[in-house]
Amino acid sequence: AQSVTQLGSHVSVSEGALVLLRCNYSSSVPPYLFWYVQYPNQGLQLLLKYTSAATLVKGINGFEAEFKKSETSFHLTKPSAHMSDAAEYFCAVTPAGSYQLTFGKGTKLSVIP
Amino acid sequence: EPEVTQTPSHQVTQMGQEVILRCVPISNHLYFYWYRQILGQKVEFLVSFYNNEISEKSEIFDDQFSVERPDGSNFTLKIRSTKLEDSAMYFCASSAGRGQAGELFFGEGSRLTVL
Repeated sequence: AQSVTQLGSHVSVSEGALVLLRCNYSSSVPPYLFWYVQYPNQGLQLLLKYTSAATLVKGINGFEAEFKKSETSFHLTKPSAHMSDAAEYFCAVTPAGSYQLTFGKGTKLSVIP
Repeated sequence: EPEVTQTPSHQVTQMGQEVILRCVPISNHLYFYWYRQILGQKVEFLVSFYNNEISEKSEIFDDQFSVERPDGSNFTLKIRSTKLEDSAMYFCASSAGRGQAGELFFGEGSRLTVL
């Protein structure tokens, strides 16, 4: 069984500041890990994924995440927040070979001008 | 850019009524999914569908739910007799193939309100 915990349901950062959204997972088998973003009134969009290749994964819009097996973490970062980054971010996990994503509760990111 | 489209965007129904939510996945995708999100809760997996049959389903996907690909383009979710607790946003998604596990393309969702 797998699960995802996202610390902080709401994170606020100033424009230009570092964005750090936390995700910890548990999985009984090697996981695939994902970050999805949901803008208001839109569907979920894949930001980036980890599928057992490089542990530092780069995604769209300047986001990246690092898979740390020892910490069971897959935190999402962006060096400099932009107003357009305001959205809800979801971490998700699936066992390799499965299509059943398990999502975290989401973290709403606000960017303050 | 290709996208997954869902209809209706919002449906209000009475408890006990049947509801059909419709989705048009991306045309060359082979795997189709339904997820739902009850207000304030996590996005939850319901079912995945490949080669005209269900490949995985969750405990939520009981006998009240069914999925169908009636033609080459639509993918539907039917709830036979809706309950209050079925009120949620339902997301359809599709993916290209086994090598793209987890790379789901989601629609904008259909909000179902059961009164």
